[in-house]
Amino acid sequence: AQSVTQPDIHITVSEGASLELRCNYSYGATPYLFWYVQSPGQGLQLLLKYFSGDTLVQGIKGFEAEFKRSQSSFNLRKPSVHWSDAAEYFCAVASRGGYNKLIFGAGTRLAVHP
Amino acid sequence: EAQVTQNPRYLITVTGKKLTVTCSQNMNHEYMSWYRQDPGLGLRQIYYSMNVEVTDKGDVPEGYKVSRKEKRNFPLILESPSPNQTSLYFCASSLTGEGYGYTFGSGTRLTVV
Repeated sequence: AQSVTQPDIHITVSEGASLELRCNYSYGATPYLFWYVQSPGQGLQLLLKYFSGDTLVQGIKGFEAEFKRSQSSFNLRKPSVHWSDAAEYFCAVASRGGYNKLIFGAGTRLAVHP
Repeated sequence: EAQVTQNPRYLITVTGKKLTVTCSQNMNHEYMSWYRQDPGLGLRQIYYSMNVEVTDKGDVPEGYKVSRKEKRNFPLILESPSPNQTSLYFCASSLTGEGYGYTFGSGTRLTVV
């Protein structure tokens, strides 16, 4: 069955530290890959997406993600975290054929210490 | 401004009292979808629609109904809400074809007592 795993439920980092959020997927073929962020009380905002080509994808707010086919991973990174990055982050995948149903991971809640 | 608008943002209701959560998009998107978000489970798809009058079940459709009479609107109907439908609901729309990410509404927090 298709699935997305985010192994870390909660992560706490200090402001200015680097960040990596993990995402692994199980899919028959390479899907489209997404990272969304949900700030408290808000909807979901698309951070970045991977369709094809360069496996290092740049997104908004200084985030980037790297697609590694051999590891079925799409980890999100940021070199220096800001307090405003505290939020919940969701990795999602969508099939390349037909309509693009999104399958989400359970999310990683990020806390940032000053 | 391109957006997906859901109403209401917050709703408290009693078991068995029919309710409708509205969703409207102004981007002329063909695909629309409803998700529910529960702690530790991420977002799960309830229903989706590929175009007017074309709808289908997602992963957790039990207890919900939808309709798509106009391209811009995709209401979610709970005929007889139960406490296990207490959740945060998101409507989303997508342009068409492969690979386009969804645009999400701001969410509706529903509590059924």
